[in-house]
Amino acid sequence: RKEVEQDPGPFNVPEGATVAFNCTYSNSASQSFFWYRQDCRKEPKLLMSVYSSGNEDGRFTAQLNRASQYISLLIRDSKLSDSATYLCVVTFSGGYNKLIFGAGTRLAVHP
Amino acid sequence: DAGITQSPRYKITETGRQVTLMCHQTWSHSYMFWYRQDLGHGLRLIYYSAAADITDKGEVPDGYVVSRSKTENFPLTLESATRSQTSVYFCASGGGVKLQETQYFGPGTRLLVL
Repeated sequence: RKEVEQDPGPFNVPEGATVAFNCTYSNSASQSFFWYRQDCRKEPKLLMSVYSSGNEDGRFTAQLNRASQYISLLIRDSKLSDSATYLCVVTFSGGYNKLIFGAGTRLAVHP
Repeated sequence: DAGITQSPRYKITETGRQVTLMCHQTWSHSYMFWYRQDLGHGLRLIYYSAAADITDKGEVPDGYVVSRSKTENFPLTLESATRSQTSVYFCASGGGVKLQETQYFGPGTRLLVL
């Protein structure tokens, strides 16, 4: 079983739609959680951290469920510029901040 | 410009040749990392370095060598390239022992081994 699993998609949605991605992780010792965004042929960039209480950044909302070991990302009012691959990332401390990446979920927003 | 840079951005080589990918960061981050990204896989850690002259293996180190004589540079060498090493390679810095400390990625090097 992969340590971090995501639905690869693609999720094809119209502009203005609300879309949600889920991610599951296998290591209960995981301590920090992030969503990264990766545009086609570009480097991953941090989108947002995920906190136990849930957090929001503009149109983006992230949730963490430690009991079920899953993380979610909700995007409201999708824009064309949201088209990208979203990487779920979990970390745990083992001498350094070790990042474990999911393979990513691809989102395509169309007019 | 400040940040993290990689060179070359694109490289074509032949099986058996030695290839070195360069990574340079200007933030003075103590930690640096090398990942490879292949279709269907998440980024996988090859090697990391906690400081100058301190390096350690990641998840997929076989066939790779790293060094870190200066804090700002972290070159990755493929001693004898194989076709299975065709991939996109990302260097990153940051992400030390502070759990919320993120990693910043370079633009990547696309390597094709023929």
